[in-house]
Amino acid sequence: QKEVEQNSGPLSVPEGAIASLNCTYSDRGSQSFFWYRQYSGKSPELIMSIYSNGDKEDGRFTAQLNKASQYVSLLIRDSQPSDSATYLCAVNRTGRRALTFGSGTRLQVQP
Amino acid sequence: DTGVSQDPRHKITKRGQNVTFRCDPISEHNRLYWYRQTLGQGPEFLTYFQNEAQLEKSRLLSDRFSAERPKGSFSTLEIQRTEQGDSAMYLCASSIEKSGNTIYFGEGSWLTVV
Repeated sequence: QKEVEQNSGPLSVPEGAIASLNCTYSDRGSQSFFWYRQYSGKSPELIMSIYSNGDKEDGRFTAQLNKASQYVSLLIRDSQPSDSATYLCAVNRTGRRALTFGSGTRLQVQP
Repeated sequence: DTGVSQDPRHKITKRGQNVTFRCDPISEHNRLYWYRQTLGQGPEFLTYFQNEAQLEKSRLLSDRFSAERPKGSFSTLEIQRTEQGDSAMYLCASSIEKSGNTIYFGEGSWLTVV
């Protein structure tokens, strides 16, 4: 079992729709969770972090965390073609300072 | 520019040669990380420094790889006797304790071994 699992996609949504990206993790003691966006050929850039169960909203982005079920998701409202990228889920595992990343989900927003 | 800076951005080298990458973290960030990323994969952790101390190393970091952060500021990652399998993007990231575990990446250094 991978430490952080994501569906590789591509996830294709029409412009203006809600994109839903999911991530599961294996270490039940993980405390911090992050979403990064990565455009082709570029480095990852931080979208948002979440530490507590529930929802956290930042503009068009909402992160959702459910520690009991060990999953974290990212919702992107009013998706734009410029949101087309790979979205990486990252988890801070117990006792580790460095983040563990999933393989990413490729999102395609169709104009 | 106050972000994480990496140099060189691109490097093409022949198999068997040594290469060195440099990373300058965000000013005042005392934590520095090296990751490696290949096509279709997420970043894979290589090593972590807090100030000048190398506190964590991945099993991915074979004895051909060495990283240093001599004065707790910039860091170097050296790969000796490069192999074609070393071709990847090498990412440096930094963080500061008060930001929790949030890390910020540099633009990466692309390595192609031919």
